[in-house]
Amino acid sequence: DAGITQSPRHKVTETGTPVTLRCHQTENHRYMYWYRQDPGHGLRLIHYSYGVKDTDKGEVSDGYSVSRSKTEDFLLTLESATSSQTSVYFCAITGQGTDEQYFGPGTRLTVT
Amino acid sequence: SQQGEEDPQALSIQEGENATMNCSYKTSINNLQWYRQNSGRGLVHLILIRSNEREKHSGRLRVTLDTSKKSSSLLITASRAADTASYFCATRADSSYKLIFGSGTRLLVRP
Repeated sequence: DAGITQSPRHKVTETGTPVTLRCHQTENHRYMYWYRQDPGHGLRLIHYSYGVKDTDKGEVSDGYSVSRSKTEDFLLTLESATSSQTSVYFCAITGQGTDEQYFGPGTRLTVT
Repeated sequence: SQQGEEDPQALSIQEGENATMNCSYKTSINNLQWYRQNSGRGLVHLILIRSNEREKHSGRLRVTLDTSKKSSSLLITASRAADTASYFCATRADSSYKLIFGSGTRLLVRP
C-alpha cells in the first residue's frame, strides 16, 4: 500500500465525542488527502494538504478539521462526531510531478 | 457534485469475456484515471490518460478518452475471477490538485 498506514482501522464512538484519525506515510510525499466513502457516492474529498501546515478544503469539509505538522502525518479530526459521519475514511498521497494517488487501507468509523 | 459518473453501476460476466465500463464527466480535464477497489480494501491506481491522448493500453486494460463527448471507457479483456472488484474513474481539472471520483462500477466475473 505504498507505505501508507491509517489508524485506527476500526472505531466505534458515540455522538458528540471528538475523534482523530491518523494517516502516516513513509514516502516523503508532499500531497496528502482525506476522503470518505459512502454507498452510492464513490469517494468524496474532505480535506487535502500540499505541504506541512498547508491545507485546504474539499467538497465535504463541514464538521472536519485537519492538521499536518510533519510531512509524514496527516490528521483528520471530527470535533463532535455525528451519525452522518459514519463512513469509511481513506487517506491518499501523491508525489511531486505525478497525479496518481496511492491509498491507505481505510478506517471504518461508526458513530452511534 | 460528482464529476465522473460510471455506467453501468453493476456488471456481471463470465470468465474469459470482455468487460467494458464507461465514465462521463462534466468539465474540462487535465487527465482521467481509473482505479480498482477490492472489497474492504483501498483503491489501487490502474491507468492514467491525459487530455491530449485518445487511447492507452496496460496489459489487459485498454482505456479510451473522447474529450469532445467528455467520456472515457475502460475495457478489460479476457476477464478473470480476480478482476471482480469495483472500478472508479477520477478526473483532474487543470490548475487543481484534486481528483473527483465517480460512484463506481461493480464488476462480478463468474468462474
